[in-house]
Parts: sequence; C-alpha cells; structure tokens
Amino acid sequence: QKEVEQNSGPLSVPEGAIASLNCTYSDRGSQSFFWYRQYSGKSPELIMSIYSNGDKEDGRFTAQLNKASQYVSLLIRDSQPSDSATYLCAVIISSFQKLVFGTGTRLLVSP
Amino acid sequence: EPEVTQTPSHQVTQMGQEVILRCVPISNHLYFYWYRQILGQKVEFLVSFYNNEISEKSEIFDDQFSVERPDGSNFTLKIRSTKLEDSAMYFCASSWNTEAFFGQGTRLTVV
Repeated sequence: QKEVEQNSGPLSVPEGAIASLNCTYSDRGSQSFFWYRQYSGKSPELIMSIYSNGDKEDGRFTAQLNKASQYVSLLIRDSQPSDSATYLCAVIISSFQKLVFGTGTRLLVSP
Repeated sequence: EPEVTQTPSHQVTQMGQEVILRCVPISNHLYFYWYRQILGQKVEFLVSFYNNEISEKSEIFDDQFSVERPDGSNFTLKIRSTKLEDSAMYFCASSWNTEAFFGQGTRLTVV
C-alpha cells in the first residue's frame, strides 16, 4: 500500500470554479499534513499545513482533514489560470523527520 | 524572506564520477532533507539530518550517497560513482519543526 495516494489527474476546471483535490494516507499515526504546489520545472512550494480534524482556510485555499478516514483535501475557490500546476499532498510518516509525498494531481484551469 | 539556496542549478557529469550538491538551509532551521525527482515522477525522500547525524533515510539512500554539514551553514549531498539512473532533480529542504521549505533544486544529468 502506498504511503500517500493521489489521483494524478489532470483535473480540469473552468476559471472561477472550485477545484477539489484529494489525498489518502496509510499511516494512522500521522499528525502533520501539507499541500505543496509545483509548477513545471520548479521546486515544491508550501501552500497549506493542517494538523487537526476539520477545515483550515487561507485566502482562496481550504484544507480539510479527516483522520478517521485518513483523508486530506484541498479546495481552491475562484480558480485562476495561474493556479494551473501540480498539487502535492505530503504527510509526515511515523517519525518526525520523514515527509512523504504523493504523486501529485495536475490541475488545469481554463480561461 | 529567508530561502533555501542550492548550487549548482545544473550539473552534468560523466558516469562513474563523484558529484557534490550543495545547499544553504534557512539559518535558524534545525532539520535538513534531500529529495529526488526523476523527470515526470514523484518527489522521493532520500534522507533527513538533525543534530549532525542522519535521522531517517530511504532505501534509495544506499552506500553510494552521503550527506554532510561541514561548516554549520552548508549541507551537502555526495553521490559517489554516479549512474545514468541518478539523473534527476535534487531538492534540498529545511524546517524549524514540521513545515519544510525547498530550494530551487539542482538538475543532475549523468552522461
């Protein structure tokens, strides 16, 4: 079983719509969860972190965590063409110093 | 804004040669990481480093690889006897606690 799983996409949404990105993880003991954005040829950029069950909002981004279901999601409201990128879900696995990434979901926002 | 810096941005080396990839983490961070991303694939954890020693390493991080923090500011990844399959983007990251910030990466091409 993969440690962090994401649908590779692409997920296509029109400009102004809500994009919903999902991730599941295998380690039930994980406590720290992150969303990174990666533009083609660039490094991962941290956009959200979440540690408790529920929702966490930051501007147009909302991260959602459900530890019972081992599920993390990211909502992007009012999607813009500049949001087109690969979104990486990352989870700290087992120990404090192993941050593991999913394969990423490619998001395409069309004007 | 503090950032992680990596040098060189691109390194071409002959198969069998040794390479050293360099990173300057954010100055007050305590945890340091190396990741690898083969073109078109996921970001893979290689190693984490804390308190001047390796704290976690993946199965990829075999005897061919080593890390060092030689002078309290730099953090290096050495790859001995490079192979064609070592061609990838190598990312350095650092964190104060859980949120890891990435450098811009070094593209390693083994020919």
